[in-house]
Amino acid sequence: DADVTQTPRNRITKTGKRIMLECSQTKGHDRMYWYRQDPGLGLRLIYYSFDVKDINKGEISDGYSVSRQAQAKFSLSLESAIPNQTALYFCATSDLGTGLDEQYFGPGTRLTVT
Amino acid sequence: RKEVEQDPGPFNVPEGATVAFNCTYSNSASQSFFWYRQDCRKEPKLLMSVYSSGNEDGRFTAQLNRASQYISLLIRDSKLSDSATYLCVVYGGATNKLIFGTGTLLAVQP
Repeated sequence: DADVTQTPRNRITKTGKRIMLECSQTKGHDRMYWYRQDPGLGLRLIYYSFDVKDINKGEISDGYSVSRQAQAKFSLSLESAIPNQTALYFCATSDLGTGLDEQYFGPGTRLTVT
Repeated sequence: RKEVEQDPGPFNVPEGATVAFNCTYSNSASQSFFWYRQDCRKEPKLLMSVYSSGNEDGRFTAQLNRASQYISLLIRDSKLSDSATYLCVVYGGATNKLIFGTGTLLAVQP
């Protein structure tokens, strides 16, 4: 079984709809992250969480919100989706203890907003 | 100026060739450096960390030049399976987060 899972894997939604992307991990890591990837722009950080009570904005948090329901779960919400939020979304985890900040990524969610 | 810059490629090389990628970073306070590999439509995966002394893992060699603020990745004896996008990643400094380059696409030809 994969250590970091994301649901759904693909989603098409309409402008104005609310959508939630979910991420779960079995690695026991404290830190979790949400990124989006767009062609030519690379991976950009949306939100990150260093533990259950810690939520931080990344470089492109506008239009998004997150919830860290448990150490193993970190969800990303688009309150009112717009077409320029069409992208590939990745969840990632890392272990505070190692100090190396190697990140382990989920398989991604391909989101299309029409 | 982007914090991490890479030549997007594509680098088209024959099997068995040696290929090198460079990456530059702008924040001199950056602390850790990595190369990640990303296959088409897949998640990024750590290929190797980059240490000041340079490090080697099989056919892959990574080097760091702090004075010039660049990182390199050398792949020897290229295999078809090496075809992927290679992401240069920098950690630390004021952001205390990973900063990803946009990636360099490698296509190894038979």
